[in-house]
Amino acid sequence: KAGVTQTPRYLIKTRGQQVTLSCSPISGHRSVSWYQQTPGQGLQFLFEYFSETQRNKGNFPGRFSGRQFSNSRSEMNVSTLELGDSALYLCASRPQRLSGANVLTFGAGSRLTVL
Amino acid sequence: AQTVTQSQPEMSVQEAETVTLSCTYDTSESDYYLFWYKQPPSRQMILVIRQEAYKQQNATENRFSVNFQKAAKSFSLKISDSQLGDAAMYFCAYRSAVAGGGGADGLTFGKGTHLIIQP
Repeated sequence: KAGVTQTPRYLIKTRGQQVTLSCSPISGHRSVSWYQQTPGQGLQFLFEYFSETQRNKGNFPGRFSGRQFSNSRSEMNVSTLELGDSALYLCASRPQRLSGANVLTFGAGSRLTVL
Repeated sequence: AQTVTQSQPEMSVQEAETVTLSCTYDTSESDYYLFWYKQPPSRQMILVIRQEAYKQQNATENRFSVNFQKAAKSFSLKISDSQLGDAAMYFCAYRSAVAGGGGADGLTFGKGTHLIIQP
């Protein structure tokens, strides 16, 4: 069974640009969530999608957005990039039946560097 | 809002010995889940162990076990017979079982403990 796949693995952007990251969940998983990991702030929850609907969003500005497609694949977009957006962006999926007990399975992450 | 605190930024242990990583959390909820995740240098987060707050019995997974003290809001991870492959960042995480009925608030992570295994 394939794991959570994130693309691209590495990317470099300049301030003011925008970026789109992609995440393909484990087959059969309908929930996808995104986390930002930085040395200073640690791991922070961005948002979660289930059946193409955003269920919740963390404390991030509106420049951070996402969506989920009918095949459960998800994308997140960051517009007007700032230096502070440099981070490892982790995607995670969990099973169809939502429960707090569900274990998240993480992808390897997308490393974004903003210059 | 819930918070998770890992007070040990770094721990070092000799191979084959036992080490305990600390985690405390703050919540006003009575129903929640706690997790320990491991992030090796490859960066991929891997679940180590999970604990349901309504269960008094401490979870165990092979060499990994937890000491869950609900009243003290403490959730430590014990690694027995440490192996070189255990070297990684370890994150303690909390998820509410109340919000949205499905933990929609996402995981709240601690800052992590860097575990070093000395050969």
